[in-house]
Amino acid sequence: SYELTQPPSVSVSPGQTANITCSGYNLEHKYTSWYQQIPGQSPIVVIHQDHRRPSGIPERFSGANSGNTATLTISGAQAVDEADYFCQAWDNNNDLVFGGGTKLTVL
Amino acid sequence: EVQLEQSGAEVKKPGESLRISCKTSGYTFTNSWITWVRQMPGKGLEWMGKFDPSDPDTDSQSNYSPSFRGHVTFSGDRAITTAYLQWSSLRPSDTATYFCARLTDKQYLDFWGQGTRVTVSS
Repeated sequence: SYELTQPPSVSVSPGQTANITCSGYNLEHKYTSWYQQIPGQSPIVVIHQDHRRPSGIPERFSGANSGNTATLTISGAQAVDEADYFCQAWDNNNDLVFGGGTKLTVL
Repeated sequence: EVQLEQSGAEVKKPGESLRISCKTSGYTFTNSWITWVRQMPGKGLEWMGKFDPSDPDTDSQSNYSPSFRGHVTFSGDRAITTAYLQWSSLRPSDTATYFCARLTDKQYLDFWGQGTRVTVSS
């Protein structure tokens, strides 16, 4: 089965850039989406189709996908960005796959 | 405004049956697939499968993740724009929060329900 691998945790200081990676075989040939989940809340999509940002998502969120790795970048991370982040793609069997999630700490 | 409103928390015993609901509004119910996602306590998101409200054929309207096929059933009621997730025999390992989410034609999940917490314990 297809797997997406994320680092369990990423830590940055306020105002720094946070990069969260998501690795999967030939991932660049699949669209990747990213979801933010604040503990106790439902996930929300912050990036879809590799780099597209939904309305209402701050410009500091951006995405890229190349080779076997997709990256979510938060430029100038803020305390409100502390959350779990999950990447998502579709495998060749048309099954949706989530990465294991990355806990972002901003302190 | 698109909304997905899920039913409330449930506490059940092993072997019992359960159906939870996802009431949709603000869009045409039959125009989008509904997906179901499990989140076990303190863990990540797991895709359970997707349900096509426009398909009247019960055999083809649902795609199940291999991990959940045979243990859960998706269904829907177009008259009340509601999707359902059901179990015929719950296990303690079904203890989790379950989310419904709308699948866009661009293949991502744009609106989510608030989640339904299910606890299975003797």
